[in-house]
Amino acid sequence: AQSVTQPDIHITVSEGASLELRCNYSYGATPYLFWYVQSPGQGLQLLLKYFSGDTLVQGIKGFEAEFKRSQSSFNLRKPSVHWSDAAEYFCAVAADPNAGGTSYGKLTFGQGTILTVHP
Amino acid sequence: GAGVSQTPSNKVTEKGKYVELRCDPISGHTALYWYRQSLGQGPEFLIYFQGTGAADDSGLPNDRFFAVRPEGSVSTLKIQRTERGDSAMYLCASSALAGGRQFFGPGTRLTVL
Repeated sequence: AQSVTQPDIHITVSEGASLELRCNYSYGATPYLFWYVQSPGQGLQLLLKYFSGDTLVQGIKGFEAEFKRSQSSFNLRKPSVHWSDAAEYFCAVAADPNAGGTSYGKLTFGQGTILTVHP
Repeated sequence: GAGVSQTPSNKVTEKGKYVELRCDPISGHTALYWYRQSLGQGPEFLIYFQGTGAADDSGLPNDRFFAVRPEGSVSTLKIQRTERGDSAMYLCASSALAGGRQFFGPGTRLTVL
């Protein structure tokens, strides 16, 4: 069964500082990996996704993530954090929809990392 | 707007009551997903519809939970004999095709007293 671990429950950074949120996954085949952001009262918004190809993926709002198969990781990074980035971030994995079966599309989420940004 | 909508946004009920939560997906999206998010946790998969049929209901916790999508558009999640442990945010998502990008609604916060 697929699973996702986000080791950091809460991270605090200063505005303008760099950010890295960790994500480790467990999945038997090539995973489809995602990062979502959730702000209070807002739905989950997709930041970026990795399906195949270049292991460094760019997303919205200046975020990027790097897929490292050898480490089973998909860490999210941003070079300079803005106060508006304060939110909860979720890493998720999905089965390859081309692999058959009926579980494709089902997302398995980590427990989330709450980001606080200090001015 | 053209996004996923969910009603009600908040639902407070008493233990033992029946509730229905509604999801309106993006028009034309064939795939629809329900997730449940407890406080301090990530969303957990409940059920996935492809068209009118439930292709994967492996996440439904027990037989008190049931979901329908009779015309392949709007979906209703139904919970019978609610328990306090059912209190959570219920999220709906839709995608144009199975396995495609999922667009999430704002959720329904269910509180069982």
